[in-house]
Amino acid sequence: DTEVTQTPKHLVMGMTNKKSLKCEQHMGHRAMYWYKQKAKKPPELMFVYSYEKLSINESVPSRFSPECPNSSLLNLHLHALQPEDSALYLCASSRGGNMNTEAFFGQGTRLTVV
Amino acid sequence: AQSVAQPEDQVNVAEGNPLTVKCTYSVSGNPYLFWYVQYPNRGLQFLLKYITGDNLVKGSYGFEAEFNKSQTSFHLKKPSALVSDSALYFCAVRDLDSGYSTLTFGKGTMLLVSP
Repeated sequence: DTEVTQTPKHLVMGMTNKKSLKCEQHMGHRAMYWYKQKAKKPPELMFVYSYEKLSINESVPSRFSPECPNSSLLNLHLHALQPEDSALYLCASSRGGNMNTEAFFGQGTRLTVV
Repeated sequence: AQSVAQPEDQVNVAEGNPLTVKCTYSVSGNPYLFWYVQYPNRGLQFLLKYITGDNLVKGSYGFEAEFNKSQTSFHLKKPSALVSDSALYFCAVRDLDSGYSTLTFGKGTMLLVSP
């Protein structure tokens, strides 16, 4: 199983809403990532969890709040987002933080903030 | 910081012809290089990677990449393109950020294969 599963696939939310994006992998990977991707642009790293601990926060606004409940799950809690936060949010995982390991990506959640 | 550059926004090729998508890198130390493909409204799929060893790396779906240290390049190739290869291709390099390994992507190259 080389799958990273993200739910929901699509999400429309108002600027005052609270919602959560979910990500799950069962490959035994100990590093998990959140990326944000605008149309036809490369993914931009948001957060990195290594062994369920937040390792990297790339100066992301506090309206995005990550959570790693266990080694298989990664959540991204959203609150009071802005229209410019509309994007494809990608979750990824890798065996660890080794330089020679590839990351596996989920299908993404297409988020629209209205 | 490590970086990769993809000089072409778009590559057009006819079905059945060979294709090349270019990538150059700038790293200190050993390069760890990757290619990913993204179909519309989908996540990224891993194609292949160069860690060490043979300069010609074979990957998924008939793709291969040639690592050239003197030219600091890692071009993606396929001998015979298919219409279904049309997608957005990203070159990436492993980088160290705050002591943790992350992936840094090039801007992407759109490949269009015409029938």
